[in-house]
Amino acid sequence: DAGVIQSPRHEVTEMGQEVTLRCKPISGHNSLFWYRQTMMRGLELLIYFNNNVPIDDSGMPEDRFSAKMPNASFSTLKIQPSEPRDSAVYFCASSQSGTNIQYFGAGTRLSVL
Amino acid sequence: GNSVTQMEGPVTLSEEAFLTINCTYTATGYPSLFWYVQYPGEGLQLLLKATKADDKGSNKGFEATYRKETTSFHLEKGSVQVSDSAVYFCALSDKSSNYKLTFGKGTLLTVNP
Repeated sequence: DAGVIQSPRHEVTEMGQEVTLRCKPISGHNSLFWYRQTMMRGLELLIYFNNNVPIDDSGMPEDRFSAKMPNASFSTLKIQPSEPRDSAVYFCASSQSGTNIQYFGAGTRLSVL
Repeated sequence: GNSVTQMEGPVTLSEEAFLTINCTYTATGYPSLFWYVQYPGEGLQLLLKATKADDKGSNKGFEATYRKETTSFHLEKGSVQVSDSAVYFCALSDKSSNYKLTFGKGTLLTVNP
């Protein structure tokens, strides 16, 4: 099993640019989670999907952030426009409903200059 | 709401020393408890879990016992190795939160040879 795959692993962009982070969950998993990790705030849940439907987006910091899951094998997290305070490591995780064990990708390290 | 409090780091030990990382929780329901580990440059991975009171989770020499009376889930290892250097996260999940994971802030462990 390939695990949760995230791309890119590193992204450097300038303030104001659009950033798109991608995630491929483990095949057969029907829940998908996006997290942000910073030194100051630790690990924060941004949004999670169940069966491709957003269930809870209360952690999304503001309207500049959006997430989609068009099918069971792909999700994106978009930031438009990006700001320096968005610099963080973004993780995607997936699980099978009811198992409450999440499997994490390796993360995307985002730097907004 | 649910919350997890774990001891602040960093924790620095010599190889073969005994490790304890304290974790206490607050939950409205009957949670499952987890320890995740994050090695440098990687995503989080499940280390061990316990799903009910008095359960002991164990893996790779690490252990933690679900103590309902003290609402605790302390992580222990009898003899740490340099390769155990990582950040350790305590987490909980329960039905009341739709099985979302609530994480502690993480504890950085450094083991010196």
